[in-house]
Amino acid sequence: GESVGLHLPTLSVQEGDNSIINCAYSNSASDYFIWYKQESGKGPQFIIDIRSNMDKRQGQRVTVLLNKTVKHLSLQIAATQPGDSAVYFCAELYNFNKFYFGSGTKLNVKP
Amino acid sequence: NAGVTQTPKFRILKIGQSMTLQCTQDMNHNYMYWYRQDPGMGLKLIYYSVGAGITDKGEVPNGYNVSRSTTEDFPLRLELAAPSQTSVYFCASSYLRGWTGHAYEQYFGPGTRLTVT
Repeated sequence: GESVGLHLPTLSVQEGDNSIINCAYSNSASDYFIWYKQESGKGPQFIIDIRSNMDKRQGQRVTVLLNKTVKHLSLQIAATQPGDSAVYFCAELYNFNKFYFGSGTKLNVKP
Repeated sequence: NAGVTQTPKFRILKIGQSMTLQCTQDMNHNYMYWYRQDPGMGLKLIYYSVGAGITDKGEVPNGYNVSRSTTEDFPLRLELAAPSQTSVYFCASSYLRGWTGHAYEQYFGPGTRLTVT
């Protein structure tokens, strides 16, 4: 049967290293994407977004890359800090008003 | 601004009971959403609303109902609670920006943790 999904993919990085979190999206018609950060016991928090007519967008310490050919997004976090430890989700905007979320990746930053 | 507030924070229901999860936002956002998040999983859209009086189904609407009588409030109703509805429920809101006409940068509430036994 299907896994209940209790074990998220986990990325462990050393403090100060760069982190790369990947996401595959499902719909080629999706034209807008967001990365969210969710800390334990809290709601998701917006990090950065990208439109489908862009390949790359940079924010403060974060960069999102979009590869429409293979329907892949990545989030790069530079100089990862302990405060970056959280679960990261990508979300795709589909059908104008609806967002679909990926299952998430847990980032564990080791001091 | 308080942002998006949700009540209650926690609730335990018996099978077959009903309850309403409350959600209020004070940002004058047109768009509001209800999601559920099962352990270790992403968020799944239950219902959404593009304005007062207008609601529509998301991915997993069965077993839930919503209403949107005001811009601020978007309550989620569970009529006959089932163990499969044990989850954390998040309400979110967002506004339109001109350059795409799409709603984005959703602001999330702190969540309601619901257990049905």
